[in-house]
This record gives sequence, C-alpha cells and structure tokens, in this order.
Amino acid sequence: AQSVTQLDSQVPVFEEAPVELRCNYSSSVSVYLFWYVQYPNQGLQLLLKYLSGSTLVKGINGFEAEFNKSQTSFHLRKPSVHISDTAEYFCAVTKFSGGYNKLIFGAGTRLAVHP
Amino acid sequence: DARVTQTPRHKVTEMGQEVTMRCQPILGHNTVFWYRQTMMQGLELLAYFRNRAPLDDSGMPKDRFSAEMPDATLATLKIQPSEPRDSAVYFCASGSVGSNEQFFGPGTRLTVL
Repeated sequence: AQSVTQLDSQVPVFEEAPVELRCNYSSSVSVYLFWYVQYPNQGLQLLLKYLSGSTLVKGINGFEAEFNKSQTSFHLRKPSVHISDTAEYFCAVTKFSGGYNKLIFGAGTRLAVHP
Repeated sequence: DARVTQTPRHKVTEMGQEVTMRCQPILGHNTVFWYRQTMMQGLELLAYFRNRAPLDDSGMPKDRFSAEMPDATLATLKIQPSEPRDSAVYFCASGSVGSNEQFFGPGTRLTVL
C-alpha cells in the first residue's frame, strides 16, 4: 500500500538560507508525487508535481524537488528562503483505488523562516 | 480567477446541531473531493465525486455524515447530529478526470461545543 513519510515535523531556518524538506514514500507501483503548501488559514496550493520524465521538477516560488526512485524519495528544496515561505508543506503520493487516483498525504512539515 | 469557494469559512455550533458545508467547484471541473484536517489525523479523504456521482465515501462516518452534489456547481457535506470530535477544518477540492491535480478551497473551520 502507498504511504508517505515526512521525516521532519518542523524545520526552523534563517532567511536566505537553503532548506530541504524530506519526503519518502512506499509503493510497489509507479506513482505520481506532489508537494503542496498551506499558508495559515488557507487551503492547499500545488507547489510542484512529478508525473514522469525528468527527475528534477521545478515549481512555483523557487522550489524544486528531485524524484529518486532507488531511494523512494521526493525531497523539496529551495536555495534561499524568504520570510513569506513560512507555511506547512505536504508531500503526497497517488494511490489507485476504487477506480481513481486518490492522494495520500504525509503528516506535513512546518517550515518556520526567521529573520 | 477560477477558484474553489467554500461557505461558511467558520462555523461554531453546539453538539447535536445539524451542520451543512457548501462548496462551489471550479467551473468545468468534474471531480470533487471532501477532506477533513485535524492535528491528530492530518488530512483525511472523506468523499469523492465524479460527474456528480459519489464514487467513494469510505472515509466518511456513515451514521452522521452525508455528501451530495445537487448540481455541477454545488457540493454539500452535512453532519447530523454534530459531535465535538467533528471539530476540524473541512476542505473541498475539485479537478478534472484524467488530471492528477486537485485545486483546494479555503476550507470551513468547524467547532462543535
């Protein structure tokens, strides 16, 4: 069965520093992978997705993620964070069940950017 | 600017009362998802609709929860009777069959006293 593990519940970082948010998944079949961001009191917004092709995926707001099949990972990175990147980040994997692809979300990682 | 809208944004009610949450999917989208978010359980899928038909409601407590799509522009999630353990943020998301992307609404924060 598909599942998603986000290894860090909270990541504090200083402004302009690089950051990596870790995500590992378990699946016996090919998957689609996603990163969503949730700003306070808002819904989830898609940052980026991996469906196929190049393993390095670029998303919005300067984020990127690398799909590593051998390590079953999809870590999210940004070379220089801003205060405005403070939010909760969710990794998700698709699971084909009941005739459709449902999203299985990780527990989330709270990124706190400090001045 | 196409967005999923949800009403109300906040709801405080007393145990035993009926609660109805509404969602307007993005025009043209034919899939709708209902999620519940809590600190303890994270994001849980409650129900999935395709072309207004409920295809999966296995994540929803059947005794008190019900979800419907009376038309293509409206999805509803009803809790009757509500209980304190139902306190959570409820999200609606919409998408298109064949696309794996889901567009989320801003959520309804429900507090049951």
